[in-house]
Amino acid sequence: AAGVIQSPRHLIKEKRETATLKCYPIPRHDTVYWYQQGPGQDPQFLISFYEKMQSDKGSIPDRFSAQQFSDYHSELNMSSLELGDSALYFCASSSRPQREKRGEQYFGPGTRLTVT
Amino acid sequence: RKEVEQDPGPFNVPEGATVAFNCTYSNSASQSFFWYRQDCRKEPKLLMSVYSSGNEDGRFTAQLNRASQYISLLIRDSKLSDSATYLCVVKAGANNLFFGTGTRLTVIP
Repeated sequence: AAGVIQSPRHLIKEKRETATLKCYPIPRHDTVYWYQQGPGQDPQFLISFYEKMQSDKGSIPDRFSAQQFSDYHSELNMSSLELGDSALYFCASSSRPQREKRGEQYFGPGTRLTVT
Repeated sequence: RKEVEQDPGPFNVPEGATVAFNCTYSNSASQSFFWYRQDCRKEPKLLMSVYSSGNEDGRFTAQLNRASQYISLLIRDSKLSDSATYLCVVKAGANNLFFGTGTRLTVIP
C-alpha cells in the first residue's frame, strides 16, 4: 500500500540558511501533520492542514511556515536555521474520522535535518 | 506536566514472555487513543487504536480506563521482532497527537 512520502530524506544546512521539506500524503488522505523529533525526544506537533487550510498549530517557531497545496502535498519552510533545529521532521497524513476509523495518522519516513 | 506519561523502561524480557506497558494521560477530554511503535531512527508506526471496550489484535491487547485516564498494552508470546520503543499516543480536541516519551522493549533470545 502507498505510504507517506517525504523528501529529502537527509538534509545538511548551515546556520541562518533556509530549508524546504516536502510531504506527499497517502492517496485520498486530506489532512497532513508536521512533527519535530529531537534526539531522545518524543515527536512534538508543529502544524496541521486540512483541505489546504491550516487546521491546528502547535509549537512551530515563527521562523517556520507551511502550506498545503491543491494536490494535498505539503511543504514546511524553515528560515534562519539554528543549531537547535537539528532533528527528525515527520509528516503524517490521515483521512477524516468516520465510523470506526479514528482518523489514525500514518507517518512518513522523516527528513533528518542537520544544522551545522 | 506532560500530556501523556509513560514508564520509559527499558524492559528486557525473554522470548515468549508476556509484557505489559502502561500510560496515563492528563486531559480528561481526550478522545482517541493509540499505541505506536518506533524502531531506532525510524518513523512511528501505528500498532493499534485503543477502544473503550478494549481490543485485541493477535498477540497484542489494548485496554482503556477513562475513569482513571489510563491506557495499557499487553504483548503475549514476545518475539525478537517486538523489540522497539512503544509510544502511548492521545488525541485531545484538535487534530494533533500527544506522544508519551515511549517505553523501550528489548526481547532477548
